[in-house]
Formats: sequence, C-alpha cells, structure tokens
Amino acid sequence: EPEVTQTPSHQVTQMGQEVILRCVPISNHLYFYWYRQILGQKVEFLVSFYNNEISEKSEIFDDQFSVERPDGSNFTLKIRSTKLEDSAMYFCASSDGANTGELFFGEGSRLTVL
Amino acid sequence: GQNIDQPTEMTATEGAIVQINCTYQTSGFNGLFWYQQHAGEAPTFLSYNVLDGLEEKGRFSSFLSRSKGYSYLLLKELQMKDSASYLCAVRDRNFNKFYFGSGTKLNVKP
Repeated sequence: EPEVTQTPSHQVTQMGQEVILRCVPISNHLYFYWYRQILGQKVEFLVSFYNNEISEKSEIFDDQFSVERPDGSNFTLKIRSTKLEDSAMYFCASSDGANTGELFFGEGSRLTVL
Repeated sequence: GQNIDQPTEMTATEGAIVQINCTYQTSGFNGLFWYQQHAGEAPTFLSYNVLDGLEEKGRFSSFLSRSKGYSYLLLKELQMKDSASYLCAVRDRNFNKFYFGSGTKLNVKP
C-alpha cells in the first residue's frame, strides 16, 4: 500500500540551528501539506503546496519556514533558525484531490529544540 | 476562518456504542473528515461526509448536517484498541487546507 514517508523520525537540535525535514508523498498525489502538533495539542496547519507552489500558509508559517519540492518525489520543510517553541511533531501529508481526497499522513518527524 | 468544537474526553465500556460530536463554523466547506490518532502516532483516516446523512463503514458511522454545522462519529461494539483520540476535520473549498479540531480522547474500559 502506498504511503507517505518522512525522515528523520526524530531530530534534536540547538536553538538557532537550521533544520530540514524531508517527506516523500504518495507518487500520484497532487496536494502536499505540512502540519505540526505540539505535544498534547491539536494538529495545526502550516502550509499547503500544489502545482509546484505554495497554495496557502498559516500565520505560524513565517519567514523562518520554507518549503521546497527539489525533485519529482521529495517535499521538504526548512526551519532556518529554530526556537524552543518549534519543538513539535511535524507531519507531512498528501492528497490526490479526487474522490474523498482524504489526507494521508506520514509517521511524523519529532523535532526537539534545546 | 474556521472553528471546530468537540468534547475533550469521553469514556465508554468495551462492547458499547459511543457517539462523538463535532460542531463547526466555516467560511468555506468541502467535506468533513474523521481521523483516529493513537498516542505518538500519525492520524489515520476513518470517514468522510460531504453531503447530509449517514455514512457507514463497518463498526464506524459518521453523520453530517451541513445546515446545522454538525457531525458525529458513531463507534459500535467498542474494543480496547479503539482507545485513541478522534479528530474532526473540515476541508476548505479549494483543497488548500484541512482544519482540525482539538480531538476527543476516548477511553475504553473493560
């Protein structure tokens, strides 16, 4: 069964460092998303990506965040200068936009900022 | 914007039926989704409603009333493995985002 894969599963970094989280969406999907979930809190939308560009971003997605689709398969989230409050689980998700068009989530990347 | 409300926590007994409610206020609507999330794991898709009425899928059913901004997830014949958080999510008109509620943590007791 096709799945969304994310790497790394866990990353520990020092405050102020840059972090890149990687995702391989399901191959025939057209819509890509990053969500984050701070421990014990709700799943929060960060950004959506369609047709090789950002389609929408939340207030959380400020200048320290960026997304890229560097090739036909990878979808990355970069955090330029991490802050303590960036510690969270980051989920990549994709959707085919057809039929039910539900989100398929990756297993997540847990980011811990010290 | 979107506002999605669901109860924080519920407890039910193994073998019983439980209904988890969700109300939403939206400026655009293109489907309501229910996801299950076990602790420390990713959400997994359970059900989808875009038209009013009941959708049944095995032990899980979901209902939608668009005029009332209301949905519920019904879980029958509860099993211990159903202990998890259940997330209600609304998709916006352009597929640009899904808004998630805070989730309802369901505890299933023996």
